Amino acid sequence: NAGVTQTPKFRVLKTGQSMTLLCAQDMNHEYMYWYRQDPGMGLRLIHYSVGEGTTAKGEVPDGYNVSRLKKQNFLLGLESAAPSQTSVYFCASSRTWTSGGARSHEQFFGPGTRLTVL
Amino acid sequence: RKEVEQDPGPFNVPEGATVAFNCTYSNSASQSFFWYRQDCRKEPKLLMSVYSSGNEDGRFTAQLNRASQYISLLIRDSKLSDSATYLCVVNTYTSGTYKYIFGTGTRLKVLA
Repeated sequence: NAGVTQTPKFRVLKTGQSMTLLCAQDMNHEYMYWYRQDPGMGLRLIHYSVGEGTTAKGEVPDGYNVSRLKKQNFLLGLESAAPSQTSVYFCASSRTWTSGGARSHEQFFGPGTRLTVL
Repeated sequence: RKEVEQDPGPFNVPEGATVAFNCTYSNSASQSFFWYRQDCRKEPKLLMSVYSSGNEDGRFTAQLNRASQYISLLIRDSKLSDSATYLCVVNTYTSGTYKYIFGTGTRLKVLA
């Protein structure tokens, strides 16, 4: 059980180049998320998906696109990279459960992708 | 005003000390609350959920005050291994979707 995996771990791009970040989870979770983390900003939601074939915009979606063709994979694309997209990108998936009448929810994160755009 | 606010720290405490972090949130419709731990250059990991009645997990105690809209985390008998950044996370379930809002984190350094 690998949990949530991300590829690549590191990448350096030049302004204007494109790339795709791949996230995979083997926990059969319905929800998946892409975040970026910048110093002093906390994690900010880029896009998310509530199930296979569905995606939705988060807090900072501009400059990114996503696809969820298979339940276990969530792809994040940068069509034309900009220096402002230099960041650490985390993918997450989540599960929900009910215990004692209370609904609870937990996110599991991948190890992150460190992207530098020159 | 940020939706979730935390004191960034750092909190430098000696081993064995008790330390407390607070977090405030602005959306009164928020439904679930969590503390995540993030080690340097690693991904966040769930430390504990926070329930209205308060909950304890070993040396860690979490409290929620809905009226004042704040969450707290208390760490007793601090260990060197507790050094990390602690993220306050607030979750809202609306229109069939969960949305998480993360605080910027509070850095803790436990000193030998």
